[in-house]
Amino acid sequence: EAEVAQSPRYKITEKSQAVAFWCDPISGHATLYWYRQILGQGPELLVQFQDESVVDDSQLPKDRFSAERLKGVDSTLKIQPAELGDSAMYLCASSPGVSRGADTQYFGPGTRLTVL
Amino acid sequence: RKEVEQDPGPFNVPEGATVAFNCTYSNSASQSFFWYRQDCRKEPKLLMSVYSSGNEDGRFTAQLNRASQYISLLIRDSKLSDSATYLCVVTRTGTASKLTFGTGTRLQVTL
Repeated sequence: EAEVAQSPRYKITEKSQAVAFWCDPISGHATLYWYRQILGQGPELLVQFQDESVVDDSQLPKDRFSAERLKGVDSTLKIQPAELGDSAMYLCASSPGVSRGADTQYFGPGTRLTVL
Repeated sequence: RKEVEQDPGPFNVPEGATVAFNCTYSNSASQSFFWYRQDCRKEPKLLMSVYSSGNEDGRFTAQLNRASQYISLLIRDSKLSDSATYLCVVTRTGTASKLTFGTGTRLQVTL
C-alpha cells in the first residue's frame, strides 16, 4: 500500500536554529498538506498545496516558516529560527485532489520536533 | 468558539461495552465529515466517512445530523485495541478542501 513518507522522524534542535522537514506524498496525489499537532490537540493546517501552488497558507507563521513544493511532488517545510513553542509533531498528508472528487487525506508518520 | 468541538475525555470503558462520542461543528458550509483514529504518538488514520444516511463498518457506526450540526461515532463490543484518540474532522469542499480537526476524544478500553 502506498504511503506518505516523511523525514526525519525525530528532530531535536536548539532555539534560534534552522530546521527543515521533508515529505514525499503518495504518487499521483495532487494535494499536499502540512499540519502541526501540539500535544493534546488536533492537527492544525499550516499550508496546503495544489500541485506546486499554495492554495492556503493563512495559518503559516510566515515570519519564520516557509514551505515549498517546487515540482509539485515532494515538499519541504522550514523553520528559521526555531522557537520553544514550535515543539510539536509536524504531519504531512496528501490526497488525490478535489478535482478528482476525493477529500480523504492520508497522513505520513510525522516529524516530532523538540526545541530546547 | 472552535469550529469543531469534542469532549476530550478520557472515556474509560470495560471491554465489551458500547461507547458513543459526539462532535459538534459550527460552520454550516461544512460538507464532508470523517472520523480519524490516532494512536499514541502515531499519525491520524481514516476510520470512516460520515454520511447523512449514516454508515456502519463492523462494530463502528457513524451518524451525521446536519440540522443540529453534530456527528456521532458509536463503538459496540469495545476491544482493548480500540484504545486510541478519535478525531472528528470536517471539510468544506470547493476549489480547495480545508480539513478541520477537533481536539480528539481519548478512549481507554480496560479489562
